[in-house]
Amino acid sequence: EIVLTQSPATLSLSPGERATLSCRASQSVSRSLSWYQQSPGQAPRLLIYDASIRASGIPARFSGSGSGTDFTLTISSLEPEDFAVYYCQQRSNWPLTFGGGTKVEIK
Amino acid sequence: EVQLVESGGGLVQPGGSLRLSCVDSGITLSDYWINWVRLAPGKGLEWVASIKSDGGDKHYLDSVKGRFAISRDSAKNSAFLQMNSLRTEDTALYYCATNHWAEWGQGTLVTVSS
Repeated sequence: EIVLTQSPATLSLSPGERATLSCRASQSVSRSLSWYQQSPGQAPRLLIYDASIRASGIPARFSGSGSGTDFTLTISSLEPEDFAVYYCQQRSNWPLTFGGGTKVEIK
Repeated sequence: EVQLVESGGGLVQPGGSLRLSCVDSGITLSDYWINWVRLAPGKGLEWVASIKSDGGDKHYLDSVKGRFAISRDSAKNSAFLQMNSLRTEDTALYYCATNHWAEWGQGTLVTVSS
């Protein structure tokens, strides 16, 4: 099983600041890495797939990078609606796995 | 607009069974893989099971193998998760997701408790 480790667990930032979230895989997943946003009471929303491709309707302030075992989600300038929990997911191998999540909270 | 809807959750005793359903009013589910994911209280997202568009390939989380069964019915544009021998640790909000993971329902709550 591929273990995904997200860091930090919590990120405290102010609106307008840049957020950098990390996801590290226990073995290579090539570029089969996705990012999701989940706000309280809401379903997860796909942000990024294949490491760097923005899903339909996702604002340009969200960007993804990386390959192999190290990946980054960057939010260039935080909007109020961006304060949420973010998960990475690998779809390289079964079983599919999610990281433990990073909570982006208002400082 | 609501398109993907889960149902079938509820309160069940340990050892009991539930059948979750996932219906889509917007797209033809038979064109896509369908996935079930759960969110337990205080925990993160956990993948549970997936079924290929033609139903010919299925995968399960190790802890649910032999207890859960995923299926689909193209005529009803639906997918199902039959959950047997439920355990307290199966308590969670269960989501179905499809359309290359871009479409999710709002979830159905499963509570396993005596």
